[in-house]
Amino acid sequence: DQQVKQNSPSLSVQEGRISILNCDYTNSMFDYFLWYKKYPAEGPTFLISISSIKDKNEDGRFTVFLNKSAKHLSLHIVPSQPGDSAVYFCAASGVGGSARQLTFGSGTQLTVLP
Amino acid sequence: EAGVVQSPRYKIIEKKQPVAFWCNPISGHNTLYWYLQNLGQGPELLIRYENEEAVDDSQLPKDRFSAERLKGVDSTLKIQPAELGDSAVYLCASSFGSGGRETQYFGPGTRLLVL
Repeated sequence: DQQVKQNSPSLSVQEGRISILNCDYTNSMFDYFLWYKKYPAEGPTFLISISSIKDKNEDGRFTVFLNKSAKHLSLHIVPSQPGDSAVYFCAASGVGGSARQLTFGSGTQLTVLP
Repeated sequence: EAGVVQSPRYKIIEKKQPVAFWCNPISGHNTLYWYLQNLGQGPELLIRYENEEAVDDSQLPKDRFSAERLKGVDSTLKIQPAELGDSAVYLCASSFGSGGRETQYFGPGTRLLVL
């Protein structure tokens, strides 16, 4: 039972355009959401997070949107750069029991074309 | 600041052999995590330590996997005996605190291939 789902395994975007990566979750105990970025042969690195009390968080070119009613979040990268090419993992956690641990999606490979 | 260090980076063994992975977390981080990442999947938690204590090991296959974190710093994850299905990347991460909101910092992982 996948509690965090990233349904698009890959995404290609032209340099300078917007990249939108999507993530859905099923566990209503989740109240904190994160995006991690992973380059080949490296571990995931934290990118941006959002608490369920917000619906948007912005950090430079990266913005995360949270739609609690739809149990959906998205990461927007504007403008996209070739160095953004990586695998992006959505992750979620909550306050109780097993929800306290980070649960990751399966990742989306973003390729930004020059 | 040094990041999370893991060794070895790569390991190839034959099935039924034992294997061990080592992790040195970021200095001052009291919480240490071991994750398993299969190809095309996200990391899955195996075990979480708060200082020396394993506080969440519900996902660790205890018949063949063991872990320890002596003195609350470095940690070792062992598999004995290894099976073909254990081929994966084993990631170590650390954080300061473990309330569920702390940023976890990951090491580069150990890529294990079991033949």
